[in-house]
Amino acid sequence: GDSVTQMEGPVTLSEEAFLTINCTYTATGYPSLFWYVQYPGEGLQLLLKATKADDKGSNKGFEATYRKETTSFHLEKGSVQVSDSAVYFCALSDNNNDMRFGAGTRLTVKP
Amino acid sequence: DGGITQSPKYLFRKEGQNVTLSCEQNLNHDAMYWYRQDPGQGLRLIYYSQIVNDFQKGDIAEGYSVSREKKESFPLTVTSAQKNPTAFYLCASSIGWGNEQFFGPGTRLTVL
Repeated sequence: GDSVTQMEGPVTLSEEAFLTINCTYTATGYPSLFWYVQYPGEGLQLLLKATKADDKGSNKGFEATYRKETTSFHLEKGSVQVSDSAVYFCALSDNNNDMRFGAGTRLTVKP
Repeated sequence: DGGITQSPKYLFRKEGQNVTLSCEQNLNHDAMYWYRQDPGQGLRLIYYSQIVNDFQKGDIAEGYSVSREKKESFPLTVTSAQKNPTAFYLCASSIGWGNEQFFGPGTRLTVL
């Protein structure tokens, strides 16, 4: 079945550092891909999404590009802030299956 | 404002008691979901409902029950049969099956 694998955390960065969180997927069809963010004690919020190959999702300085050839959807940000500290989940969905989430990657940004 | 509400935010129960977690959405979404999240872990699907009056078991349905009598409501009951009920419970909804999901703020259940 469909699945998502994302890099294990935790990830600790200094403020203004470059962020990459890797995400790869396995799917039989052509899924939509998502990144969600979860701040402490809260639910998940949609950060960005891409619905077809080569689409780039972006929001709040975060970007991810749907790469069908490498089955990847890596999350990047050029300069992280302390306020970006959270857990990030990669996910996929298609019309035939429920949404599949990765295990989550905890990011801590230090001033 | 449209969104998903879960109540209460924190819930304490004694072992052996059933407890019901509320989830309401005013987004006019057909599909609703319940997930369990344990500390430092990802999300595990408990139950889902694609449409009113219909629901299906997810990956970890044992010890839980749900109902979907109204489109906007999808309550989850944690029964005494659930061996380790202490967790963070998240409700979500989507316009339809397979579409992006919108999440509520969660309920943290602690069984004493």
